[in-house]
Amino acid sequence: DTEVTQTPKHLVMGMTNKKSLKCEQHMGHRAMYWYKQKAKKPPELMFVYSYEKLSINESVPSRFSPECPNSSLLNLHLHALQPEDSALYLCASSQSPGQGQETQYFGPGTRLLVL
Amino acid sequence: AQTVTQSQPEMSVQEAETVTLSCTYDTSENNYYLFWYKQPPSRQMILVIRQEAYKQQNATENRFSVNFQKAAKSFSLKISDSQLGDTAMYFCAFMNNNAGNMLTFGGGTRLMVKP
Repeated sequence: DTEVTQTPKHLVMGMTNKKSLKCEQHMGHRAMYWYKQKAKKPPELMFVYSYEKLSINESVPSRFSPECPNSSLLNLHLHALQPEDSALYLCASSQSPGQGQETQYFGPGTRLLVL
Repeated sequence: AQTVTQSQPEMSVQEAETVTLSCTYDTSENNYYLFWYKQPPSRQMILVIRQEAYKQQNATENRFSVNFQKAAKSFSLKISDSQLGDTAMYFCAFMNNNAGNMLTFGGGTRLMVKP
C-alpha cells in the first residue's frame, strides 16, 4: 500500500481566513513533505519533516505554518494568504529520511484558490 | 546544484505506438537516483519508474523502460504500446544520495495519446 491521503480536495479561502490542509499516511514512513505546484510547472519543495521534526524550510513565507503532530499526520496551516498562493499543494512521504535513496509517494493534492 | 532538463514540452503519440521522452541532468555527484513521475489530469503524482545510478542495467516496469546513459547524463523514458490512460504530464526527477531526500524536478513533458 503506497497511499497518501490529503484533505480537502478543493479549498477556496479569502485573504483574511485561516484554514488547514491535512495529509495522512499509514505506511510507517518517517519523512513527510509539502510541495507547491503552479499550473504547468513542476512541484516546488516547501517543507520537509524527518522523524516528526522540521528539517528543511525552503524560505517559505510565515503565512504557511507546517505541523507534524505524529508520524502519520502532516498539516499545513494557512493564514493571511495572497492570491498568488493559489496552487495545488501536494504532500508526499518516504520511508527513511536523510538516506537519499527513498522514493517519495505523493498524495492527490489540495487545489487551493485564494480570493 | 543539480539541474534537470526535459527538452520536449509537449509530445503526442498514436495509441499502441511507442514514444520516448527525453531527460538530461547535470550533477557532479556519483551516487544518485533518477525517477520518472506521471501526473494525469486527476493531478496525482504517480511513480512510474526509478533508476539507481550505480546500476548499469536499465530499469523496466511493464510497458515502461528507461535508457540510462550515465556518462552522457541522460535518462529517457520509453513507453511501449501506448494507451489512452498514459495521457499525462511526465516529470523526470533527480535525487542526490548526499542531500537527504530532496528531489529536483525537470520542467515536465505533456504527453497526449491519440486514439
